[in-house]
Amino acid sequence: AQKVTQAQTEISVVEKEDVTLDCVYETRDTTYYLFWYKQPPSGELVFLIRRNSFDEQNEISGRYSWNFQKSTSSFNFTITASQVVDSAVYFCALSEGSGTYKYIFGTGTRLKVLA
Amino acid sequence: DTGVSQDPRHKITKRGQNVTFRCDPISEHNRLYWYRQTLGQGPEFLTYFQNEAQLEKSRLLSDRFSAERPKGSFSTLEIQRTEQGDSAMYLCASRPTGSSYEQYFGPGTRLTVT
Repeated sequence: AQKVTQAQTEISVVEKEDVTLDCVYETRDTTYYLFWYKQPPSGELVFLIRRNSFDEQNEISGRYSWNFQKSTSSFNFTITASQVVDSAVYFCALSEGSGTYKYIFGTGTRLKVLA
Repeated sequence: DTGVSQDPRHKITKRGQNVTFRCDPISEHNRLYWYRQTLGQGPEFLTYFQNEAQLEKSRLLSDRFSAERPKGSFSTLEIQRTEQGDSAMYLCASRPTGSSYEQYFGPGTRLTVT
């Protein structure tokens, strides 16, 4: 069965600190996709990144970076120089590589960035 | 380019009443999903449509829940005889056909059953 674990329930950092959000997944599929979404207080899930299981290249987008390691089944997300606007709940999700592509979400990590 | 829209945004109902939610996906997206999110949890998959065909339903979708997508455009999710345990955020998402696409989510409908 597929499963996503986000062990960090809540993280508080001071503005400008770097922070890493952990995501560990379980799947028997050889082809799958991993995602990160941001859910601000307004509630709408905002897409951040998609990774397929064949692409282990790390990615950087501005202050955001992602580290995908198949050997440890992890897909961690780092925010560099955090800002108050980064405060939100962040979800990691996994989808199968075929069929419905439905998501299995983790329980989320609430990030609080303090000014 | 409009995103996914959902209506209503909030619904308060008394236990035992029926409620219906609507989702309008992004126009060129033929795949549509419904999820339910309770407080402090991640969204959980409820059901999936490809065009007008409902191809998968989660065991979370009891017989009090029904979803439709007539003509493969908008979708409705109906809950009959609501219970307090149905209180949650109901999220709709859509995506195009193909493997390498993410889902785009609507703002959700927050249901409170009193």
